[in-house]
Amino acid sequence: NAGVTQTPKFQVLKTGQSMTLQCAQDMNHEYMSWYRQDPGMGLRLIHYSVGAGITDQGEVPNGYNVSRSTTEDFPLRLLSAAPSQTSVYFCASSYSSRGLGEQYFGPGTRLTVT
Amino acid sequence: DAKTTQPTSMDCAEGRAANLPCNHSTISGNEYVYWYRQIHSQGPQYIIHGLKNNETNEMASLIITEDRKSSTLILPHATLRDTAVYYCIVRVSATNKLIFGTGTLLAVQP
Repeated sequence: NAGVTQTPKFQVLKTGQSMTLQCAQDMNHEYMSWYRQDPGMGLRLIHYSVGAGITDQGEVPNGYNVSRSTTEDFPLRLLSAAPSQTSVYFCASSYSSRGLGEQYFGPGTRLTVT
Repeated sequence: DAKTTQPTSMDCAEGRAANLPCNHSTISGNEYVYWYRQIHSQGPQYIIHGLKNNETNEMASLIITEDRKSSTLILPHATLRDTAVYYCIVRVSATNKLIFGTGTLLAVQP
């Protein structure tokens, strides 16, 4: 299994541009989530999904959209990038949306907005 | 949501046990304590979790006090590769939402 994969690894955007961060998992996990991590801080939950077609907001959802059309993929969309969205973005997945399983994290996408 | 308090940083000598404390005095009866670590800006890695009883796996041991207001993660024989930020997290009840704090930077010294 490849586990959780994220693309791209690095991205530079100009203010106002849009882009989609990709996240995929091949473990048939129900639960997927997106976090952001700013320098010197812990991870903050942006959005999460408990299954295909179901998404919900986390701690810091403003400026981000998500959808979950398949079990495998959970893309994160920035509609109009702002410098405040400069961060490292991590995607994670877990077998059960309500169980006790560990969450598997991807390697991260490092985004800079100028 | 229950919050956690951890020391900002700790040192440990290579080969010795590393004991990382965590306070979670507002934890609810059905909330689990999870530990993750993050090595040099990689994605966080799951270590262990528990509810009431002490737990042990191939990576670490988790000791939870009887009143569940605090816990300790024990790495029995720390190596240089264990240098990382360790996060103690109380999982939101009946969900998989993890609320991360700022964690403890463990520096294993040769």
